[in-house]
Amino acid sequence: QISLKESGPTLVKPTQTLTLTCTFSGFSLSTSGEGVGWIRQPPGKALEWLALIYWDDDKRYSPSLKSRLTITKDTSKNQVVLTMTNMDPVDTATYYCAHSPYSNAMDVWGQGTTVTVSS
Amino acid sequence: DIQMTQSPSSLSASVGDRVTITCQASQDISSYLNWYQQKPGKAPKLLIYDASNLETGVPSRFSGSGSGTDFTFTISSLQPEDIATYYCQQYDNLPYTFGQGTKLEIK
Repeated sequence: QISLKESGPTLVKPTQTLTLTCTFSGFSLSTSGEGVGWIRQPPGKALEWLALIYWDDDKRYSPSLKSRLTITKDTSKNQVVLTMTNMDPVDTATYYCAHSPYSNAMDVWGQGTTVTVSS
Repeated sequence: DIQMTQSPSSLSASVGDRVTITCQASQDISSYLNWYQQKPGKAPKLLIYDASNLETGVPSRFSGSGSGTDFTFTISSLQPEDIATYYCQQYDNLPYTFGQGTKLEIK
């Protein structure tokens, strides 16, 4: 049974760097074909895909946010970390991680973590 | 980026009604199209993958069809628990873009 859970700060100040951790179980990122993605959702708005990392350390980013995002994995800890630099109030959102196998749908999502950017 | 256009943006229907939502891609995405259901305060849930395949455990009143650029999501008989926002998402090309969502309400 696959499960994922996001963790990180609930409040960050403008210009700070956000670091979010996705801790998962039920699959391994050392297994061929496996992947974990990040998606966010501002309050009352639609979902926005952010980044993805695969078992082979292939990393993909949203072009509009690529300069600010870094995604890494720690296979031994079953964790994926997303960092976003230079946070702005418009980055206020619920951030989700999801199981995202290669060329397949994001089939299991974490519960999400809400991040507010405010001074 | 591939743009995904959903319609309508909101929909009010009665229990038992047949409900249809459409999603149009800005370019051919073959059948790389998913449908998600999101209830208030909850994470999205995958309902349909590859345009027409029902995810395990999802009720059969939900269905999807289409390929290329035009897709349809249908609830054959609306139930009270189906009240949610529904999103389409393409995964043919990165970034994996979502539609703007369709908010479904009970009339």
